[in-house]
Amino acid sequence: SAVISQKPSRDICQRGTSLTIQCQVDSQVTMMFWYRQQPGQSLTLIATANQGSEATYESGFVIDKFPISRPNLTFSTLTVSNMSPEDSSIYLCSVERTGGGTQYFGPGTRLLVL
Amino acid sequence: AQKITQTQPGMFVQEKEAVTLDCTYDTSDPSYGLFWYKQPSSGEMIFLIYQGSYDQQNATEGRYSLNFQKARKSANLVISASQLGDSAMYFCAMREGRRNNDMRFGAGTRLTVKP
Repeated sequence: SAVISQKPSRDICQRGTSLTIQCQVDSQVTMMFWYRQQPGQSLTLIATANQGSEATYESGFVIDKFPISRPNLTFSTLTVSNMSPEDSSIYLCSVERTGGGTQYFGPGTRLLVL
Repeated sequence: AQKITQTQPGMFVQEKEAVTLDCTYDTSDPSYGLFWYKQPSSGEMIFLIYQGSYDQQNATEGRYSLNFQKARKSANLVISASQLGDSAMYFCAMREGRRNNDMRFGAGTRLTVKP
């Protein structure tokens, strides 16, 4: 497994603003992912964070709304842009050491948009 | 189409008893992996157990075991000797193929352990 941290752990934001969430891993990993979990729902993959190139987004998610960076093999950020109350969710990053293996999750960021 | 189905929104179990959480899946890919995660109220997702489609034996990890019935496409999680700390949401997940990034999660089952 890996030690994964996320910052912030929670935040309350006003609509129309943006929030950047950081994900830090204690060792190099091959794959990093960002998920959204809306209240009472299961997890939905937002995108795969690719090191040194643009993220790969899933259907229904776009770069303008969820820009992602991954400057190296241990760090990634997800920005939730121009937030609305519908963006209130838990955002989780996950990592894999090798492709196709087990994903390990960070502690999550609880976001409430007013 | 829903690929992972967890039919039990909520389950109750008495402390120290065993409980089975159901999970069925749908795939035509011969190579896939099945995962179970625990999500306490804190929100973190904790990896519990993994079963590969080619694994001959059911996976076990401490008090967790996976009852893998390939022909029936089911991957039920069995928790033995339940503890109060087992109260949480439990998610079944599947990944198809060896390098497919898309991990699909079921709707989850909320387990409550009663003292």
